[in-house]
Amino acid sequence: ETGVTQSPTHLIKTRGQQVTLRCSSQSGHNTVSWYQQALGQGPQFIFQYYREEENGRGNFPPRFSGLQFPNYSSELNVNALELDDSALYLCASSPANGQGQGYTFGSGTRLTVV
Amino acid sequence: AQSVTQLDSQVPVFEEAPVELRCNYSSSVSVYLFWYVQYPNQGLQLLLKYLSGSTLVKGINGFEAEFNKSQTSFHLRKPSVHISDTAEYFCAVRWMNRDDKIIFGKGTRLHILP
Repeated sequence: ETGVTQSPTHLIKTRGQQVTLRCSSQSGHNTVSWYQQALGQGPQFIFQYYREEENGRGNFPPRFSGLQFPNYSSELNVNALELDDSALYLCASSPANGQGQGYTFGSGTRLTVV
Repeated sequence: AQSVTQLDSQVPVFEEAPVELRCNYSSSVSVYLFWYVQYPNQGLQLLLKYLSGSTLVKGINGFEAEFNKSQTSFHLRKPSVHISDTAEYFCAVRWMNRDDKIIFGKGTRLHILP
């Protein structure tokens, strides 16, 4: 089975720009969660998508938005980038009824805002 | 508020010595508990999880953890560490009365000394 795939692996953007990060979930998983991991910190929950709808959101401003597609892949969009948005962005997938399964994580996208 | 506390940001230990990484969480309800490992420039890999049943859980790479409900703790242990265990370790909790999100601690860096 394929794991979680994220693209791109690295990205450099200028403050004020917009960025789109992509995630393909593991086969059989229909729930996707996004996390932001700043340097030296634990992952912070951004939001989760289930059946193409947002299913929970962390303490992030509206300029962080997302989408989930019918094939369960997902995008994270960040508008008006700020320097503090520089981080590793992790995507994780899980089966819908897999509350106890934990998440399968991708390798992340390293975003640098200059 | 829900929180996960990893009491040590960094733990140095000699190779082949035992190690314990501590994790406490806030809770008044049942939880699922996880430990993840993150190697440099990689995503998160599930080490082990506690869902129910036996409080001693065994995971990959010789790690184990013990769930202590009264102390709301889930400490990770390994009887003999190897240089390849050098990584960041994250404790994570999923509260059963909440949405599906998993909350992570800030992480503990395990530093193996030769």
